[in-house]
This record gives sequence, C-alpha cells and structure tokens, in this order.
Amino acid sequence: KAGVTQTPRYLIKTRGQQVTLSCSPISGHRSVSWYQQTPGQGLQFLFEYFSETQRNKGNFPGRFSGRQFSNSRSEMNVSTLELGDSALYLCASSRLEGSSTEAFFGQGTRLTVV
Amino acid sequence: DAKTTQPPSMDCAEGRAANLPCNHSTISGNEYVYWYRQIHSQGPQYIIHGLKNNETNEMASLIITEDRKSSTLILPHATLRDTAVYYCIVRGYGGATNKLIFGTGTLLAVQP
Repeated sequence: KAGVTQTPRYLIKTRGQQVTLSCSPISGHRSVSWYQQTPGQGLQFLFEYFSETQRNKGNFPGRFSGRQFSNSRSEMNVSTLELGDSALYLCASSRLEGSSTEAFFGQGTRLTVV
Repeated sequence: DAKTTQPPSMDCAEGRAANLPCNHSTISGNEYVYWYRQIHSQGPQYIIHGLKNNETNEMASLIITEDRKSSTLILPHATLRDTAVYYCIVRGYGGATNKLIFGTGTLLAVQP
C-alpha cells in the first residue's frame, strides 16, 4: 500500500511569507504528527492530530499551526517565515489502534527561507 | 527532553553484527522502547519495539536488560545500506499519543 506522502518535496520562500505543507497518511491511519528537523536542534515534535483534533503540541510559536481533515489528510502552516524556519518538515502517520502503534514517516518537505 | 542516552557514533565492518546500545534508566513500567533509523535526508524508518522480552523481526533484534534500564539493537549482518542515524525512543503504549521525543541518536557507519 502507498506510504505517507508529503507535498511539495522542496520549497523556497522569502522571509515574511507564509507556507502550507501537506501530508497524506497511509490509508486507514487516523493519527498524523509533524516534526521539524534542523542541524542544530535535531528532530523536534511540532503537533499531533487524531480524528481532526489536535492532541499534542510542541514548544513552537503560534506562527506554526496545523489542521486535519475528515479524510485524515493534514496540513501545516507557517506564517511570517523567518530564516530559522528553514528545515526538513516531516509528517508521520499511525493507526494508534490495538497493537499498531508504529509511526510511518514521509520523505519530508525541505523548506528553505531566503 | 529525550529519556534515552546513546553514543554519538559507531563503526561496524560490513557483514559483521552491529550492536547499538541505549540507556533509558528512568523508563517506567508502561513504557516501551522503540528504535527508528534515518538514512541521510530521508524520513525516519521504524525498526522494532519491545517492552521487556527480547524481540526479533526481519530487520533486527532488540535485547532489553532485565531491569529495563538499557537495551541493545542488533543488526545481525550489517551492510553499507545500514549506514544511518539510529534513534532509541521511550514512549508509552496504548494508543494515547503518537508523539515521539527524539534524542541525538547514534550515527552508525558501516565500513566496506
């Protein structure tokens, strides 16, 4: 079956702009989490959605937001982009039902802010 | 903060077993040990997880000490394609959350 799909794969934006990233989870998975990976901070948890509800949120400013749709697809938005937002943004999906708790990651979206 | 401690890097000869250690001395009774790996610039890949018994799958074996304060991931016959950063993660079980707290991981370099 198809894996987690993230679009776009690469993105270049200018400071001050906003950006929306998309994540399509594996069919049947209702949990979607987002992570930011930078060389300095490593992999950091952004937020998690389950059945359209935000369950957890990491320690990021309010410029970072997300949502999940009824088909479990998720988007994250970053407004007023800063140079420090340049990172690999990863999405992970999971069934979170019964014994199935493994998270499956997409290939990520590489965002460059100039 | 991550609840695990791993060596920053390790080397392994191709074809030999790679043994990656992880300390998780503050693990609680309902927490599992998960292992993921990340090959350069790709998304992390799930490898294996366990509670207290040793586990094996087609990718690796996981050995957890009896006191559960440490574990070892074993890749029985390492190949060049196993070169990656390996993350050991402690998390609760039961479906409440999919939040993963990543540490700095171990960079495994498999040498030809």
